[in-house]
Formats: sequence, structure tokens, C-alpha cells
Amino acid sequence: AQKITQTQPGMFVQEKEAVTLDCTYDTSDPSYGLFWYKQPSSGEMIFLIYQGSYDQQNATEGRYSLNFQKARKSANLVISASQLGDSAMYFCAMRGNHAGNMLTFGGGTRLMVKP
Amino acid sequence: GAVVSQHPSWVICKSGTSVKIECRSLDFQATTMFWYRQFPKQSLMLMATSNEGSKATYEQGVEKDKFLINHASLTLSTLTVTSAHPEDSSFYICSARMGRGYNEQFFGPGTRLTVL
Repeated sequence: AQKITQTQPGMFVQEKEAVTLDCTYDTSDPSYGLFWYKQPSSGEMIFLIYQGSYDQQNATEGRYSLNFQKARKSANLVISASQLGDSAMYFCAMRGNHAGNMLTFGGGTRLMVKP
Repeated sequence: GAVVSQHPSWVICKSGTSVKIECRSLDFQATTMFWYRQFPKQSLMLMATSNEGSKATYEQGVEKDKFLINHASLTLSTLTVTSAHPEDSSFYICSARMGRGYNEQFFGPGTRLTVL
């Protein structure tokens, strides 16, 4: 079974500062993928970044980077230079290579960017 | 990127009626589509996985006869909430994937269902 844990239900960050959203996971699959999604108040799920379990380097996409520590089973999202538009719910998700290949989501973190 | 649409974006219905929600992949063929349910301030919970041309696989605790899923083509999946009750009120989100070898799932904008 897969489990994703996001321990921060809500976070504040000052505009233009960096923020780290925590995500830990547990799985018995030797190969898996980790995702981060952003969900603004409109409800749509916006894909941000992906990290494969065998990727040697941490994934980066613009202002988003993923701090992947495989031994610690953590995949924290780092947002640099926060913007007001970054205020949203953020979900960490995992997909293993078991039957179905479905995504398992964490509980989410609500990020609020202060002007 | 690939686009997934959902229709309707919101619906209000009376208790006891059935509601159909459509999920379409607009610019790619989706071999697999997923249906999620999200209650306010909670995470997404997978309801079922559907592969084109075959029966959906439901997650434990999801009533198959209440939430009918049809994936008739590579671009369309439907979720029908039968005999809806107020407790079925929720945000329903579909997502689509091109195939098992693809990492990314593309999400629809969601459908907000309110049952009176």
C-alpha cells in the first residue's frame, strides 16, 4: 500500500520569499513517481513537477524544485520567490508500478502568500 | 499541454434524480481515466479507474451501482450519480492518462454537485 503524508495543513509565506512544503511517503514499490499539484480556489488541479524514484537529480521547473531525499522518503516542494498567485492548496501525490498505476494523494497544504 | 474538459462545471439537482458528468480528453487519446471525489478542505479520493472498452475498477467502499462509470471511447468517460442524495454533494474531478508508460495525469476542471 502507498501512503502520502503532508504534515502542514496551512502555511504563510511573505511575498518574494522561498517556502518549502513537506511531503513524506511510504511504499513497497521499488519504482515509483512523485508529483506535486496546485489547486487554486477554482478547483482545477495544476501539475507542477514530477520526480522519478530513479532520477539522479532533483527535478526543477521554473520556480519549483523538488528536494528528493530517497533514503528519508521525502519529496519536499520548494517554491522560490513566492508570488501572490501562489496562494492555493498544494497536493503531493505518488504513483507506484502496481496494478492500476493510480495516484495516491496527500492531505494537502494550504499556502497563503502575504503581500 | 493536454487538455481535459468536464461538463457540467456545476449542477444542482433534487434528491432522487440522476446526474451525468462527462469527462473528455480534447487533444489526446486517454486509455485510462480516473474519477476522484473531493469534499471541502479535504484531499482527492480516488473513486474508480476506467480503461477504454472495459469495466471500471472501483475503490473499496465506492458503490458501483450508485456511481456508474462508462468509458466508451478513448476520449470520453462518464460518471452517473444515480438516485442522488444530499450526502453525494461533492466536487468530482476526472483525470486522464495516455497510457501506462506516461507519468502525467491531466485533470479536468471539476464538477461541483449539489443535491438538494
